[in-house]
Parts: sequence; structure tokens; C-alpha cells
Amino acid sequence: AQKVTQAQTEISVVEKEDVTLDCVYETRDTTYYLFWYKQPPSGELVFLIRRNSFDEQNEISGRYSWNFQKSTSSFNFTITASQVVDSAVYFCALSEAGAGSYQLTFGKGTKLSVIP
Amino acid sequence: GAGVSQTPSNKVTEKGKYVELRCDPISGHTALYWYRQSLGQGPEFLIYFQGTGAADDSGLPNDRFFAVRPEGSVSTLKIQRTERGDSAVYLCASSSPTGGADTQYFGPGTRLTVL
Repeated sequence: AQKVTQAQTEISVVEKEDVTLDCVYETRDTTYYLFWYKQPPSGELVFLIRRNSFDEQNEISGRYSWNFQKSTSSFNFTITASQVVDSAVYFCALSEAGAGSYQLTFGKGTKLSVIP
Repeated sequence: GAGVSQTPSNKVTEKGKYVELRCDPISGHTALYWYRQSLGQGPEFLIYFQGTGAADDSGLPNDRFFAVRPEGSVSTLKIQRTERGDSAVYLCASSSPTGGADTQYFGPGTRLTVL
């Protein structure tokens, strides 16, 4: 069965600090997809990134970067020079190719508070 | 273009009542998902539609929950004999499958409170 663990429940950082959100996943499939979503206080889930299991290249998008390591089953998310607008709950999610619906299994989320 | 929309945004009902929650997916998206998010938790899968048919309803908690998508666009999640434990935010997502797990785009959710 697929599982996503986000061990950090809450993190507080001071503005401009870098912060890394951890995500560890479990799956028996060789083909799977990993996602990060942001849920600001308004409540709507905002898509950030999607990676497939065959692409281990790290990705950078502005202040955001993602580190995918199959050897440790991790897909960590780093925010560089954090800003107050980054305050939100961040969810890591997994989708298995074996599940025909490609339903998402989410972690419990990490609440990030960026203090000015 | 417009994103996923859900109505109502909030619904308060009494235990034992029947409720309907509506989802309008992104135009052209053939895949539609319902999830439920309890306080402090990540969303949990309920049901998946590909077109008009419920291709995977394995996440529905019991037979009080039912969903339809009669014309392959708008979907309605129906809950009979509501219980206090049904209180949660119900999220709808849609995607346009091109092979593999395409990105699911979420609506703002319906917050259901059962008194």
C-alpha cells in the first residue's frame, strides 16, 4: 500500500531564512508520481510540482527547489529566502500507476509559518 | 480559463439530513475526483470518475455516500443520513489524462458541518 510521511508537523522560520520540508514515501510500484501542493489559509490546494519515478533530476523554480532521491524514497522541498507569503500548509502526495484511478495519497502536511 | 468550482462553499446541516455537494470541473477535463479533508489531515480519496462512470469508488466510507456525473461534466456528491463524523471539507479535483498521473487541479472545497 502506498504511504506518504511528512514528519514535520509545524515549522517556523524568520523571513529570508531557507527551509526544507521533508517527504518520505512508500510504494511497491516501479512507476509512480510525486506531487507537492500548497494550501494557504484561504484553503484552496495549489499545485506546485509533479515528478515521475523515472526522472530523478532535481528541479528549481524561482525560490523553490525539489530534491528527489529514489534511494531514500524521499522528495524534499526547499524554499530559499522565505517570505511571509510562503506561510501555508504544504502537502506531499503520491500516485501509483498500478492504481488505475491515479488517486492521490497525501501526507498529513507541514504547516510553515514565516515570521516577518 | 475558469478553475474547478464547488457549491456551496459552506453547508450546515443537522444529523440525519441529506446533503448534496456540487463540483464543476475545468472545461474539457474528463477525470474528476472527490476527496475529503478532516481538520489537521491531508485530503483522502473518495471516488474517481472517468467520463460519466465511477471508475473507482473504493474510498467511499460506506453506502450513505454516493456520487454521480451524469453528463460527464458536473458531479454531485450525495450524503444520506448525515452523521457528525461526516463534518469535513469536501474537495473536488479534475484533470485531463494524457497518460500517467496528470496533475489534479482542486476546487476551493465545501465545508460541511453536521450538528
